Amino acid sequence: DQQVKQNSPSLSVQEGRISILNCDYTNSMFDYFLWYKKYPAEGPTFLISISSIKDKNEDGRFTVFLNKSAKHLSLHIVPSQPGDSAVYFCAASLEGEYGNKLVFGAGTILRVKS
Amino acid sequence: NAGVTQTPKFQVLKTGQSMTLQCAQDMNHNSMYWYRQDPGMGLRLIYYSASEGTTDKGEVPNGYNVSRLNKREFSLRLESAAPSQTSVYFCASSEGGVGGYTEAFFGQGTRLTVV
Repeated sequence: DQQVKQNSPSLSVQEGRISILNCDYTNSMFDYFLWYKKYPAEGPTFLISISSIKDKNEDGRFTVFLNKSAKHLSLHIVPSQPGDSAVYFCAASLEGEYGNKLVFGAGTILRVKS
Repeated sequence: NAGVTQTPKFQVLKTGQSMTLQCAQDMNHNSMYWYRQDPGMGLRLIYYSASEGTTDKGEVPNGYNVSRLNKREFSLRLESAAPSQTSVYFCASSEGGVGGYTEAFFGQGTRLTVV
């Protein structure tokens, strides 16, 4: 039972345009959401996050939107650059008895064409 | 500042062999995690440790054991490796703590092949 879903395995965008990566979740107890970026042969690196009490968070070219009623979040990258080509993972945090657990989606491969 | 360091980076095992993956962090983080990454499955949590002295199961704990040796180190052991455990393993750490959240930092990964 995958609680965090990224239904698009890949996305191709022209340089300078907007990239929109989507993520859906099923567990209403998630209280924090994050996006990670991963290059081949490297570990994931944190990109941007949003608390469940907010609906938008912006950091430079990256903006994350959260729609709690739809259990949906999205990552917007504007403008997209070739260096943004990577795998993007959506993740959600769940507080357990012993601390917070991060649950990840399957990832979306973003290719930015120059 | 090395962050999260995993050893080894690559390993090939025969079915039935055992091995331990090592992980150490130098950020004085409370929480540490082990994930595996498989194609089309994303990152799945194997075990985590919210603080020194505690460990708990994640989504896919079967076939693995962990030890939180001290605040810095969190090891993952495969007692009898199986081909289904062929994967890339990532260790991560975060400040953690119940009731609060900070982002997790990941190591470079260990690519394990079981033949």
